[in-house]
Amino acid sequence: QKEVEQDPGPLSVPEGAIVSLNCTYSNSAFQYFMWYRQYSRKGPELLMYTYSSGNKEDGRFTAQVDKSSKYISLFIRDSQPSDSATYLCAMSVRNGTSGTYKYIFGTGTRLKVLA
Amino acid sequence: EAQVTQNPRYLITVTGKKLTVTCSQNMNHEYMSWYRQDPGLGLRQIYYSMNVEVTDKGDVPEGYKVSRKEKRNFPLILESPSPNQTSLYFCASRQGGPYNEQFFGPGTRLTVL
Repeated sequence: QKEVEQDPGPLSVPEGAIVSLNCTYSNSAFQYFMWYRQYSRKGPELLMYTYSSGNKEDGRFTAQVDKSSKYISLFIRDSQPSDSATYLCAMSVRNGTSGTYKYIFGTGTRLKVLA
Repeated sequence: EAQVTQNPRYLITVTGKKLTVTCSQNMNHEYMSWYRQDPGLGLRQIYYSMNVEVTDKGDVPEGYKVSRKEKRNFPLILESPSPNQTSLYFCASRQGGPYNEQFFGPGTRLTVL
């Protein structure tokens, strides 16, 4: 079983729709939860991060974490064609021996917003 | 301009021919990392470095080497590349805590024949 599971899509929605993207995870040691956006032929860029259960809002984006269910979500309101990209969830966990942090990414969900 | 650069951007090579992919950042970041991205497997961490001379293995370190002799540079070395290392490689850097943004380079597409 993968530590992080993410539906690869593709997900096609009309412009203006509310988009829900989700990841589940199995490692309860994960401490930080992030969402990255990756446009075609580009490196990922950070959208949002959170470290506690609950919601965090930034403009049209809301990140939600439910640690009891090991489930995180990203909601996009009023979706735009420019939101068309691959969205990757990511989680970080501390290496107890070295004290460093490593990252585990989901496989990414490809989103297409139709004009 | 703050950025992470990688070279080369595209590389086709043959099995067993040693190669190095360079990564450089101009943001004075302490943390640097290498990832590979494959269809269906997503982005997987190869190695990371907390600072000069401090490196640690990620999830898929086999067949790769890294070094961090200077803060700005973090080269990825494939001593004897094999076809299963054909992939899209990204270098990234960040400053501060694990929740801080990782800045990714533009990627290096490697094909090993």
